[in-house]
Amino acid sequence: SQTIHQWPATLVQPVGSPLSLECTVEGTSNPNLYWYRQAAGRGLQLLFYSVGIGQISSEVPQNLSASRPQDRQFILSSKKLLLSDSGFYLCAWSVVGETQYFGPGTRLLVL
Amino acid sequence: AQSVTQLGSHVSVSEGALVLLRCNYSSSVPPYLFWYVQYPNQGLQLLLKYTSAATLVKGINGFEAEFKKSETSFHLTKPSAHMSDAAEYFCAVKGAQKLVFGQGTRLTINP
Repeated sequence: SQTIHQWPATLVQPVGSPLSLECTVEGTSNPNLYWYRQAAGRGLQLLFYSVGIGQISSEVPQNLSASRPQDRQFILSSKKLLLSDSGFYLCAWSVVGETQYFGPGTRLLVL
Repeated sequence: AQSVTQLGSHVSVSEGALVLLRCNYSSSVPPYLFWYVQYPNQGLQLLLKYTSAATLVKGINGFEAEFKKSETSFHLTKPSAHMSDAAEYFCAVKGAQKLVFGQGTRLTINP
């Protein structure tokens, strides 16, 4: 069966520091991969999605970037964190853009 | 382009009462529709999905939703609310390579 992992589960970082969040999927090949953010009290905001290795689509211009170095690995990065980057980050996968399956999330607090 | 609107950002019902969460969609093609649930500090979990088969879709935890093309609606219902149903619920429609989510409805259950 398929599983999706995200780490770390929780992260506290100072403003201006770099960020790297990792997401990996097991049990499927060539999935679509997605990064979402939920700010406190807000809905889901799609940040990036990828349909294959090295293919990244950005939904919202911002301080973040994404990479997909391997088929089942999706990384969210920032060179310098802002206070507004705080939130709950969710990774998801799907096959052919249909049902998405979500990871457990990473809680990021920027101080 | 596809979109969804969830009517009511907060819904409160008594334990044992009917749960009704409203979702209206807009789609230029026959839609695929989804309901997800999110418990605090967790990822989203698929409740049910409509993919052009039966218009009444049964999901997990006693939830069901009815696709009504004439009303462009896909409302989520449960006959009798349990305390464990307290969560955030998201409606979504399939777009190109991604899902388009509504803003979410927070369901509170009163004892």
